[in-house]
Order: sequence, then structure tokens, then C-alpha cells
Amino acid sequence: GIQVEQSPPDLILQEGANSTLRCNFSDSVNNLQWFHQNPWGQLINLFYIPSGTKQNGRLSATTVATERYSLLYISSSQTTDSGVYFCAVEGGYGNNRLAFGKGNQVVVIP
Amino acid sequence: DTAVSQTPKYLVTQMGNDKSIKCEQNLGHDTMYWYKQDSKKFLKIMFSYNNKELIINETVPNRFSPKSPDKAHLNLHINSLELGDSAVYFCASSQWTDSYEQYFGPGTRLTVT
Repeated sequence: GIQVEQSPPDLILQEGANSTLRCNFSDSVNNLQWFHQNPWGQLINLFYIPSGTKQNGRLSATTVATERYSLLYISSSQTTDSGVYFCAVEGGYGNNRLAFGKGNQVVVIP
Repeated sequence: DTAVSQTPKYLVTQMGNDKSIKCEQNLGHDTMYWYKQDSKKFLKIMFSYNNKELIINETVPNRFSPKSPDKAHLNLHINSLELGDSAVYFCASSQWTDSYEQYFGPGTRLTVT
């Protein structure tokens, strides 16, 4: 099946700092989503982005499908950005099976 | 107006018991899923149903049996619970065609003692 690798696995940020999270995947994709799992365990949809660039407030994402990677940018980080960020892809077999990466654990300190 | 809801949120039970988790979505989607998140936070798909038909059945023990009474509901029944079944179980839904974007429920934390 499709492989998903996220980096860095762990990140500590000072409040106000910017950061970039990366997701590499091993095959072409129909679906790519970024999620934020907050400290209470909820999985929040951030972006549906199989290609192109999107922005939502302080967050933005870019997927370069031909080079098989996606980036999630967090600008002016806040303590509420803490949690685990997951990249998940569906590998184009038409079965909507999302394969998740292991996540980026982000801690934002005041 | 919760989009994907699950009950219960927490479930603590003893080994050998049988338990069920319920999931409902009000997004009008035709496809629903169960994912398992283990203690290392790794998420993996277990099942998916499209229009009440089983589409994906990963290598999950047959003690786990999903049931979809209609497009808006997907329940997970687990027989003879084992310690290793302790995890967080997430339900999700999407439209089979169109954008495929999946929306997740709040999760059910199952603890088997």
C-alpha cells in the first residue's frame, strides 16, 4: 500500500514562531487531507488538498502531487496549535481508504 | 448540529465482554468508515461501507463486526473483548464520489481491563 512519511516527528515552538510540516507519499493520490488532533483527542479537518495551495487564517498548505509531497505551514503559532498534525492520503485505487502518517507532535510554549 | 457523532465517548469493560459503539452522520454522505487509533496514535482503517454495503474490510479479527442499518449509521460490535482491543475508535464519513473528503467523529476511547 501507499506509504506516508511525516517530518519532523516532534517540534517545540515558541509562541509566535512559524513552522513547516512535511508529508511525503509514495504514490499518486486522489485525496490528501491534513488533520489536527487536539489535546482532547478530536480530529479536526484542516485541509483537503490533493494538489495546489490553500490558506485558512494562519494555516496554509501546499501539495505538489507530481513530486509526491505536501507541506503544512503554521504562522504566528499559538498555544492552541499544540497537538498532533496528521497527513492522510488515498492512493487512487478508488476505495477511499485513507492511509495516515505517524503525525507531527507540535508543542507551542508561551 | 454535530456532523459525525459517536456513542459512547468512553467505554471501560472487562475482558471477554461484548460491546457496541454507535456512529451517526447528518452530512448526507453515502460512505462511512471505522478507524482504530492505537496507543502510539497510529490511525488505521478497519472497515468502510458504501450505501450499506461493505467495501473495505482490513485484516481485522472477526470478533469485530460492523453493521450499517442505513446510510447515516454505522455501528461496530466487538465480541469477546481482549486487552489489545484497547484503543480509540473513530467513525468517519464521506461522499463516495466528488471530493472524497472524510469527516471524523469525536472518537470512542475503549479500555479493556
